[in-house]
Amino acid sequence: GENVEQHPSTLSVQEGDSAVIKCTYSDSASNYFPWYKQELGKRPQLIIDIRSNVGEKKDQRIAVTLNKTAKHFSLHITETQPEDSAVYFCAARNSYSGAGSYQLTFGKGTKLSVIP
Amino acid sequence: GAVVSQHPSRVICKSGTSVKIECRSLDFQATTMFWYRQFPKKSLMLMATSNEGSKATYEQGVEKDKFLINHASLTLSTLTVTSAHPEDSSFYICSARGLGGGDAPQHFGDGTRLSIL
Repeated sequence: GENVEQHPSTLSVQEGDSAVIKCTYSDSASNYFPWYKQELGKRPQLIIDIRSNVGEKKDQRIAVTLNKTAKHFSLHITETQPEDSAVYFCAARNSYSGAGSYQLTFGKGTKLSVIP
Repeated sequence: GAVVSQHPSRVICKSGTSVKIECRSLDFQATTMFWYRQFPKKSLMLMATSNEGSKATYEQGVEKDKFLINHASLTLSTLTVTSAHPEDSSFYICSARGLGGGDAPQHFGDGTRLSIL
């Protein structure tokens, strides 16, 4: 099955600096990579996603890059703000049918703290 | 758009009680719903996948007789924790995927914090 590794587990940055979170995956059949932001006690919220036919995607201060050959993808947050503080999860989803199809496998999460 | 409602948000009950958690997709039809369990400061662990009108597929190590899942319609799935015990205390989150099949994004409910005394 799929295995997603996420680093770092914790990250502290000064307000205004950039934050980068990296993930690797193992299953070459995975073709969809979403990122979720989860505030304490709340639901994971989809903040950006990328498909395997694209190398980079940007949405305002958030960008995601994907390297299919190396099987890794990264989340980049620029000009960080205190409200960016949360736990961020990467995930990978496979593309095959049958049992276990289209399931998301999550990384272990990164706790981001933005210091004012 | 893409709102998933989960109810209740918090349950505190005695050991041996059965607890039902509902997950509804409010503005879209969800052919597939997922149930996750999350321990404090940990990632989301998939418990089971349910498809409307068919039996749920449980992940290895998840007791299907303990965690009963019903997905009777395209907008509602329920998880019943039967005869709950303190070790079942956790944060349970559902998510729903729309009619786009595997290509559709997955959206999460607010979660249910279950505390068994």
